[in-house]
Amino acid sequence: QVQLQESGPGLVKPSQTLSLTCTVSGGSISSESYYWTWVRQPAGKGLEWIGQVYTTGRTNYNPSLTSRVTMSVDASRNHFSLELTSVTAADTAVYYCAGGLIVFGGVIFYNWGQGTLVTVSS
Amino acid sequence: DIVMTQSPDFLAVSLGERATISCKSSQSVLYSSNNKNYLAWYQHKPGQPPKLLIYWASTRESGVPDRFSGSGSGTDFTLTISSLQPEDVADYYCQQYDSAPYTFGQGTKLEIK
Repeated sequence: QVQLQESGPGLVKPSQTLSLTCTVSGGSISSESYYWTWVRQPAGKGLEWIGQVYTTGRTNYNPSLTSRVTMSVDASRNHFSLELTSVTAADTAVYYCAGGLIVFGGVIFYNWGQGTLVTVSS
Repeated sequence: DIVMTQSPDFLAVSLGERATISCKSSQSVLYSSNNKNYLAWYQHKPGQPPKLLIYWASTRESGVPDRFSGSGSGTDFTLTISSLQPEDVADYYCQQYDSAPYTFGQGTKLEIK
């Protein structure tokens, strides 16, 4: 059973870069069966898919965030990362990482991290 | 992008009664080549990550009680809880995984009447 755990600063200043890491255990980040995914939920709002990264480094991003998002995989540390630049208060949210299992060309989010709250404030 | 629209936004149901949540997609998430609907349902409780309940529109995830069921095809889907239990109080989201960005519905808050 793949397990995931987010880590990173809980407070980021406006205009700076939000950086989070998701450590994978119980499975390999190099698995060809997963897209490694980030999802967020602003307070009082719904879930928003941010994007995903494959073991090869191939990425897909939400068009609403693509100009500010970078995701990457680090096989040596068995983790993947999210960077979101030029943050504003609107980026305050609980950020989840998830393992998206690739099945018949679809990506099903079976496994999730516990989530980490990131607040954007000066 | 595929837009997912749930109804209602808020639902209050008595214990033991049936709860029904609707989800509509702006375009079909049914793949004719394999006859599968790329539609999932998640349960989300405060302080916890979302939990996968249903995938392929109607396949219950392992360990999910059989009072939860999913139905529908193409653009119209339903999540049904046949007999509401106290632990079912949560937000529920549908999500399409047919094509990126993998969009969620806006969520339905389910409470006890």
